[in-house]
Amino acid sequence: AQKVTQAQTEISVVEKEDVTLDCVYETRDTTYYLFWYKQPPSGELVFLIRRNSFDEQNEISGRYSWNFQKSTSSFNFTITASQVVDSAVYFCALGSISSGSARQLTFGSGTQLTVLP
Amino acid sequence: EAQVTQNPRYLITVTGKKLTVTCSQNMNHEYMSWYRQDPGLGLRQIYYSMNVEVTDKGDVPEGYKVSRKEKRNFPLILESPSPNQTSLYFCASSMRAQSGANVLTFGAGSRLTVL
Repeated sequence: AQKVTQAQTEISVVEKEDVTLDCVYETRDTTYYLFWYKQPPSGELVFLIRRNSFDEQNEISGRYSWNFQKSTSSFNFTITASQVVDSAVYFCALGSISSGSARQLTFGSGTQLTVLP
Repeated sequence: EAQVTQNPRYLITVTGKKLTVTCSQNMNHEYMSWYRQDPGLGLRQIYYSMNVEVTDKGDVPEGYKVSRKEKRNFPLILESPSPNQTSLYFCASSMRAQSGANVLTFGAGSRLTVL
């Protein structure tokens, strides 16, 4: 069975602080994908990033960066110099591509990030 | 514009009154799915469909029905809604079935309240 744990339910930071959102996953698959989605206050779900299990290179996109560590089964998300517009719920998700995996994604419970001005 | 459209966006209903939440995508995606979002529980899958006339249960299917008669549409049916089905519902689609590699495109969500 697959599982995604986002232990941080809520995080509050002051604008311009750096913040890291943790994601720990469990899977028996050797090939899998990890995702982050953002849900701003307006409610829609927005795709941020996808990584496959064979690519452990960290990724940076502007103020966003992701640290994938297979050894600790973690896929953490860091926002540098946070801004008020970063306030949202962030979901980590795990996708399997093994046979019979048509359910596709297992989501974590989400982390509510509040960036205070 | 490529999108997943859900309706209604907001609905308040009473226990036992049948309702349908529609979902339509214009991207010719094979895979469609319904999720519900509840505080502290994240998104949980209700039903999914790998193609026309192919549907299967997700993690929380009780009290729901779906159908996939056309590729673009995947309605969610609550035959006899109960208060524990009060939730935020999302429809999603992706290009191919049976692949956890696919990025999902989500609808805007439908907030349902059952009194």
